[in-house]
Amino acid sequence: DVVMTQTPVSLSVSLGGQVSISCRSSQSLVHNNGNTYLSWYLQKPGQSPQLLIYKVSNRFSGISDRFSGSGSGTDFTLKISRVEPDDLGVYYCGQGTQYPNTFGAGTKLELK
Amino acid sequence: QVTLKESGPGILQPSQTLSLTCTFSGFSLSTYGMGVGWIRQPSGKGLEWLANIWWDDDKYYNPSLKNRLTISKDTSNNQAFLKITNVDTADTATYYCARMKGYGGYWFAYWGQGTLVTVSS
Repeated sequence: DVVMTQTPVSLSVSLGGQVSISCRSSQSLVHNNGNTYLSWYLQKPGQSPQLLIYKVSNRFSGISDRFSGSGSGTDFTLKISRVEPDDLGVYYCGQGTQYPNTFGAGTKLELK
Repeated sequence: QVTLKESGPGILQPSQTLSLTCTFSGFSLSTYGMGVGWIRQPSGKGLEWLANIWWDDDKYYNPSLKNRLTISKDTSNNQAFLKITNVDTADTATYYCARMKGYGGYWFAYWGQGTLVTVSS
């Protein structure tokens, strides 16, 4: 199975600040078709997860351009700029390149 | 507009079979490239993928639970189902269904609100 390692476990940020979350996979996430199926999700308190980013850097419909994804192979990053109160919650990376699908353990974003 | 909603028994006893239903709208599971997956989350913990079913009835299971899982769909009624046999307290979690779209690989684009399942004697 592909192990997804997220760092840090938690993050404190001031409103308006910028943060980065790292996600590393134990194997390359490049699919045989050449695409990389690394996605990012945000789970706000009391809610179900929501998709932010798919295929490393593609923002999902309605997602602010304050969220950006980058990376390749086994090393990926989610950056959030100009943090707003609605950004708080737990961020998960996930891979859909090979079965079984796996997720990182999550990064909790809190206010400083 | 894509929506999904999970339903389940709420509470059940150890050794019973858990039956979950995902009722969705805004897409069809007979459309090329569409799929529905099930993911669960114990309270305060992370996400665990369980199973996927695709438009062509292709099915995939988490090997750690494979022998206990059965996923199926009813395309006419826009529903997907998951059964977990022989449950125990470790299966207590919120269960989500989510729509996938992909060719080769995939991601979970839309999620339901989740249904809490408690296994207790």
